[in-house]
Amino acid sequence: QLQLQESGPGLVKPSETLSLTCAVSGGSISSSNYYWGWIRQPPGKGLEWIGSIFYSGSTYYSPSLKSRLTISVDTSKNQFSLKLSSVTAADTAVYYCTRHAALRSPFDPWGQGTLVTVSS
Amino acid sequence: QSALTQPASVSGSPGQSITISCTGTTSDVGAYNYVSWYQQHPGKAPRLMIYDVSKRPSGVSNRFSGSRSGNTASLTISGLQAEDGADYYCCSYAGSGTFVVFGGGTKLTVL
Repeated sequence: QLQLQESGPGLVKPSETLSLTCAVSGGSISSSNYYWGWIRQPPGKGLEWIGSIFYSGSTYYSPSLKSRLTISVDTSKNQFSLKLSSVTAADTAVYYCTRHAALRSPFDPWGQGTLVTVSS
Repeated sequence: QSALTQPASVSGSPGQSITISCTGTTSDVGAYNYVSWYQQHPGKAPRLMIYDVSKRPSGVSNRFSGSRSGNTASLTISGLQAEDGADYYCCSYAGSGTFVVFGGGTKLTVL
């Protein structure tokens, strides 16, 4: 059964770069034609798609975050990563990693999520 | 502000049926058969309940059903149970450029 686990600093200072990693277990990130995505949820608010990466490395970003966003995949470690630069308090959220079969496909499964707070 | 519009809250009594709407545009909900619905209990990750407008993943109760009319998708839960109380989010593919949009979420209270 595929499992995803987010990891990274829980506290990031304003203007710095938020970096998270999603470790994939129960399957190889490069053995099948899947997309690997990031979704976030500010406290008490709704879900927001951040972006996704195809196993081959092609990336697809939310237009509102594109200028600050980098998503990459490390097949040797079976994980993919998120970097969001120049963060502000508005980037405080629970960040989830997930998988989908195509950009139009549903997100399933999801990681448990990790809270990242942007504060000095 | 979310791209898709959902009611902030709905409620129903055990055994009743409720419907949650999700209104988009001709660029997302109205354009593609790729609407999904997620259930989220407090402190938990979202769970996929409906995909491709009306398909149910394995393991999801047949009390959950989805439909679409024009630019509005709907999630119907029949025979409400206490454990159905949660937040529900709709999601739609929005084509090249925007790719994915979510609704703002609906809190379902089982009275």
